[in-house]
Formats: sequence, structure tokens, C-alpha cells
Amino acid sequence: AQSVTQPDIHITVSEGASLELRCNYSYGATPYLFWYVQSPGQGLQLLLKYFSGDTLVQGIKGFEAEFKRSQSSFNLRKPSVHWSDAAEYFCAVAREPTTGNQFYFGTGTSLTVIP
Amino acid sequence: DAGITQSPRYKITETGRQVTLMCHQTWSHSYMFWYRQDLGHGLRLIYYSAAADITDKGEVPDGYVVSRSKTENFPLTLESATRSQTSVYFCASSETGGSPLHFGNGTRLTVT
Repeated sequence: AQSVTQPDIHITVSEGASLELRCNYSYGATPYLFWYVQSPGQGLQLLLKYFSGDTLVQGIKGFEAEFKRSQSSFNLRKPSVHWSDAAEYFCAVAREPTTGNQFYFGTGTSLTVIP
Repeated sequence: DAGITQSPRYKITETGRQVTLMCHQTWSHSYMFWYRQDLGHGLRLIYYSAAADITDKGEVPDGYVVSRSKTENFPLTLESATRSQTSVYFCASSETGGSPLHFGNGTRLTVT
């Protein structure tokens, strides 16, 4: 069965420090991979996606993620965190070929940014 | 404005009552979804729809009913609300089955 694991429930970083959020997936074929961010009281916003091609993908707000097939990982990174990055981050995987019910979300990582 | 709108934003209801959560999207996306978000569970799919008049169950469909008579609307009904259905409900849409999901701002439902 497909699954997504985000090992870190909560991460605290200082403003200006680098960030890496981990995501591991379990899937037998090439997945579609996504990172979403959720600010308090808001819906989820797409940060970036990987479908194929270059394994390093750039997203909005200065985020990037790297797909590593050998490690079944899709970690999210940002070189310098801003206070406004404090939010909940969700990794998601969708199946290829896809049907509508084949999105799987991790349980999320809550990011706190210290001034 | 284009987007996906959920209503109401907040709802308190009593056990046993019927509740309908509304979802409206202006992109004409084929796919629409209902998720519930609970601490420790992330997002779990309740129902989805691939097109008007086509719906299917997700991971946690029990106690919920959906319909999709028009492409732009996808209401979710709790036929007889239970306390275990206290949650934040998100509607989402996408152009195709695997393209990125676009989420509404959610409905926080409390069942007393």
C-alpha cells in the first residue's frame, strides 16, 4: 500500500537558518510528489511538485525539494528561513497513472521559527 | 474571484442533526474532493468526484453523503452527525486526477 511518512512532527529553527523537512514515501512506481504549506486557519497551498525530469525542483517562497528514488525521499529545503515560514507542511504522493482517490498525505510537520 | 469557496467557515451542531457543508469552485475543474483533517491523522479522503454525477468513496466515507449535479458544486452531507465527525473539513479541486489539488479554506465543524 502507498504511504507517506514525515518523521518530524515538529521542528524549530532560528530565523535565517537553513531548513530541511523530511518526507519518505512507499510506492512501487514513479510517483507524483508534492509539498503543501498550511498557515493557521487556512487551506493548503501548493509549494512545489515533481512529476518527472530534473530531480531538484524549485517552488514558491524560495523552497526547493529533491527527489531521490534510491532513498524514496522527497525532502523540502530552504537555505534561509523567514519568520513568515512558520506553518504546517505536508508532503503528498499521487499515483501514476492517477485516479482521483490516489493522493496520500503525510501527517505533517509543524515549523516554528525563532526570531 | 476565481477559486474554491467553502461555507460555512464554522459550524456547531448537535449529535443526530443533518449538516451540509458547501463547496463551490470557479475553475471548472473536473475533479473535486472532500478531506477531513484531524490531529495525528493528517488529511484523509472522504469522497471524491471525477465529474458531474460521478462520485466515489475515499478512505473514510462512512456517515457522509455527497452529490455533484453541477461541475462547480460538491456538497458534503453528514446525515446524522456524531461527535467523531468533529473535524476540519477541506474541499479541493484539480484539473485531472493527479494534477495539484487546490484547497478551500476549510470548515471547522463541532458536533456537541
